[in-house]
Amino acid sequence: DAGVIQSPRHEVTEMGQEVTLRCKPISGHDYLFWYRQTMMRGLELLIYFNNNVPIDDSGMPEDRFSAKMPNASFSTLKIQPSEPRDSAVYFCASSRAGQPQHFGDGTRLSIL
Amino acid sequence: QKEVEQDPGPLSVPEGAIVSLNCTYSNSAFQYFMWYRQYSRKGPELLMYTYSSGNKEDGRFTAQVDKSSKYISLFIRDSQPSDSATYLCAMNTQGGSEKLVFGKGTKLTVNP
Repeated sequence: DAGVIQSPRHEVTEMGQEVTLRCKPISGHDYLFWYRQTMMRGLELLIYFNNNVPIDDSGMPEDRFSAKMPNASFSTLKIQPSEPRDSAVYFCASSRAGQPQHFGDGTRLSIL
Repeated sequence: QKEVEQDPGPLSVPEGAIVSLNCTYSNSAFQYFMWYRQYSRKGPELLMYTYSSGNKEDGRFTAQVDKSSKYISLFIRDSQPSDSATYLCAMNTQGGSEKLVFGKGTKLTVNP
């Protein structure tokens, strides 16, 4: 079975530009999570969805961040406008209720 | 006090050694405990998934949970160079259907 697929794997862009990260969860999983990993803060949840509906977005840093899940097989995380402090590795994970979360290989984002 | 504390290491051991990795936590409501292994530039990979207190063994890996002490451990027997990675503990109250709270990870190097 294919795991969680994220794209792009790397993104380098200039401050102020819009950034869109993409995630395809494991088929049949009804929970989708977006995490951010930095050296200082480790892995932290940004937002998660259940059956395509956002459940908890309390980790979204500010209004510059938004996430959507238009269907069960696709989600996006958008940053607009991007800032250097947004540089991090962004992970998507998916799961079924009561089962552990499985992670993609992440998007390494650098904002210059 | 952070919700989950994990010694970041780094930890360096010779091949064949027994490795002990630990986390402490403060939230007594946590019921599900996980260990993830993360290789450089890859996503976290689930190693062990346990519910409540007790031990779980899978090959060379043993996970222990002591809820009375709010302390979890991962033991690696006969460590191999391929075990060199960062090990992350994670936990929550509802398993797959809720955000995970992560430790910051312990970097392990197994020397041949």
